[in-house]
Amino acid sequence: EAQVTQNPRYLITVTGKKLTVTCSQNMNHEYMSWYRQDPGLGLRQIYYSMNVEVTDKGDVPEGYKVSRKEKRNFPLILESPSPNQTSLYFCASGTGDLAVGEAFFGQGTRLTVV
Amino acid sequence: GQNIDQPTEMTATEGAIVQINCTYQTSGFNGLFWYQQHAGEAPTFLSYNVLDGLEEKGRFSSFLSRSKGYSYLLLKELQMKDSASYLCAVSDSNYQLIWGAGTKLIIKP
Repeated sequence: EAQVTQNPRYLITVTGKKLTVTCSQNMNHEYMSWYRQDPGLGLRQIYYSMNVEVTDKGDVPEGYKVSRKEKRNFPLILESPSPNQTSLYFCASGTGDLAVGEAFFGQGTRLTVV
Repeated sequence: GQNIDQPTEMTATEGAIVQINCTYQTSGFNGLFWYQQHAGEAPTFLSYNVLDGLEEKGRFSSFLSRSKGYSYLLLKELQMKDSASYLCAVSDSNYQLIWGAGTKLIIKP
């Protein structure tokens, strides 16, 4: 089954404790992206990648890191999480730029930083 | 600034028709997307409009007027499973996606 898989689905952590949210897709998509979704706001892009070893900042990259060492994986790293990073995070992938084609989203990771 | 406006919440009756509007002010335009998002789940693609007019896909249709900066999503023969949030997103001149906050649609029996 074609899918984007994120882990974990839920995570509660403490301020400053490094964490990684994994994202993997099995559709051989070149384009991958991370978004955060907060109440009353539209999805905001954190980072995106157009191919292996190619990553770029989105609208809200501060406090986040990503890597794209393999085509299928695009982990999101929070080196020192803070409470303002409490949010619902989505990974998405597509055959090309998500601004001109369908995005396939993972199931989401609900992160709480206390 | 760039802006996408959608109603926050709408209520409709099972079996009826509902129209969800989206207005946008963006620097340029390269297409408009509609996604459906059930509570606690991932958004799923519904439609992509680049040219003016109505595109029909089963019970769902999407309309675009570029001159008016306006789109709507039309849902016919509403079913309880259509209860969800509907997200409008516009691709601007730099191919950046600008997302609306979404419209929560509540279907009543």
